[in-house]
Amino acid sequence: GEDVEQSLFLSVREGDSSVINCTYTDSSSTYLYWYKQEPGAGLQLLTYIFSNMDMKQDQRLTVLLNKKDKHLSLRIADTQTGDSAIYFCAETPGKIIFGSGTRLSIRP
Amino acid sequence: DAGVTQSPTHLIKTRGQQVTLRCSPKSGHDTVSWYQQALGQGPQFIFQYYEEEERQRGNFPDRFSGHQFPNYSSELNVNALLLGDSALYLCASSPEWDGKIYGYTFGSGTRLTVV
Repeated sequence: GEDVEQSLFLSVREGDSSVINCTYTDSSSTYLYWYKQEPGAGLQLLTYIFSNMDMKQDQRLTVLLNKKDKHLSLRIADTQTGDSAIYFCAETPGKIIFGSGTRLSIRP
Repeated sequence: DAGVTQSPTHLIKTRGQQVTLRCSPKSGHDTVSWYQQALGQGPQFIFQYYEEEERQRGNFPDRFSGHQFPNYSSELNVNALLLGDSALYLCASSPEWDGKIYGYTFGSGTRLTVV
């Protein structure tokens, strides 16, 4: 079946690293995405990783993919208050299937 | 370069009414998908249009229908509105290359409230 799972909440201290985890189900997914949604806004594509890659780094963002375990993670280095948002993991077996989102909150 | 444009931004309807939401895709994008995002949930796939035809459909009733026009813009229609249809409706566009889809761009959504 189609199911992308994420933990619902994550709280980190400003300046620390945030790690958001996700598990997905469809091994045929070509791309795996991380989207960011700020309050009252649509979804912003943060980064993606192609299914034949293990890691992708993009400035403060690092994506790790473990295809064997169908596990995806997003690491945000030096987390800032502007990173407060809901982060969605998504897989693409043709259409995008989203997880329920992880709400990241930053404490001073 | 405008991204994905959705209208209206907010809408209030009464149970049983019908609603039409509109989406203009990003320039150069020919595939349009619609998503429903209930409060506190992730977006749920409604359907996808390509070449003016519905290509894929999620688990939504026939009350949800759509259309894509020759200029790639799209409409989402919902008939016989229920309170449970209250949600943020998101449109996403993408280019289609070699039958695969890369890089969806989302609009800011239409917030529909059914009373």
